Amino acid sequence: SAVISQKPSRDICQRGTSLTIQCQVDSQVTMMFWYRQQPGQSLTLIATANQGSEATYESGFVIDKFPISRPNLTFSTLTVSNMSPEDSSIYLCSVEGGGYSYNEQFFGPGTRLTVL
Amino acid sequence: SQKIEQNSEALNIQEGKTATLTCNYTNYSPAYLQWYRQDPGRGPVFLLLIRENEKEKRKERLKVTFDTTLKQSLFHITASQPADSATYLCALRGATNKLIFGTGTLLAVQP
Repeated sequence: SAVISQKPSRDICQRGTSLTIQCQVDSQVTMMFWYRQQPGQSLTLIATANQGSEATYESGFVIDKFPISRPNLTFSTLTVSNMSPEDSSIYLCSVEGGGYSYNEQFFGPGTRLTVL
Repeated sequence: SQKIEQNSEALNIQEGKTATLTCNYTNYSPAYLQWYRQDPGRGPVFLLLIRENEKEKRKERLKVTFDTTLKQSLFHITASQPADSATYLCALRGATNKLIFGTGTLLAVQP
């Protein structure tokens, strides 16, 4: 299975600031995704990170708030901009394809964000 | 609107019994359905996939059924163990090819 790391694993941030979360995979993958999981809730897809082009955002998520980069096939970043307490959540990176099955997504350990 | 619903209440069972978790969906025509396990503080881990033309899939102590008429999947863990305690998520891949997750069911297996 894919080995995925995320940095930071957790952070406590002040309102109005921004945080960039990194996702690194141990091998090249086709698809990379960013999810949000709020306390006691399921996973909500934020966007698909596209290599070399702009990310594809889901309804309710916009690039100005959640800019995403994907410079290559093993790395992506998600920035949570101008944070408010409502952004407190776990942010998860997941991958699919490449050397792995397209029918299975692998998830990183998540980044737990608390906004004060 | 599209919905994926799982038992919102925690499921408590005794060790050795069979745990059965339910996933119901509306307004989807999924090509396949997946089940994931999530432990506290960790990302989900893939368990099983079942396609729309399959009725049942097994893997060791796990069994998944898929009824496209009822729009329901059942996930069974036989001979359950305390180590099976976790949240179990079902997920659908629909026409948009994106994976959409249900709300999850917390399973607690008592020794």
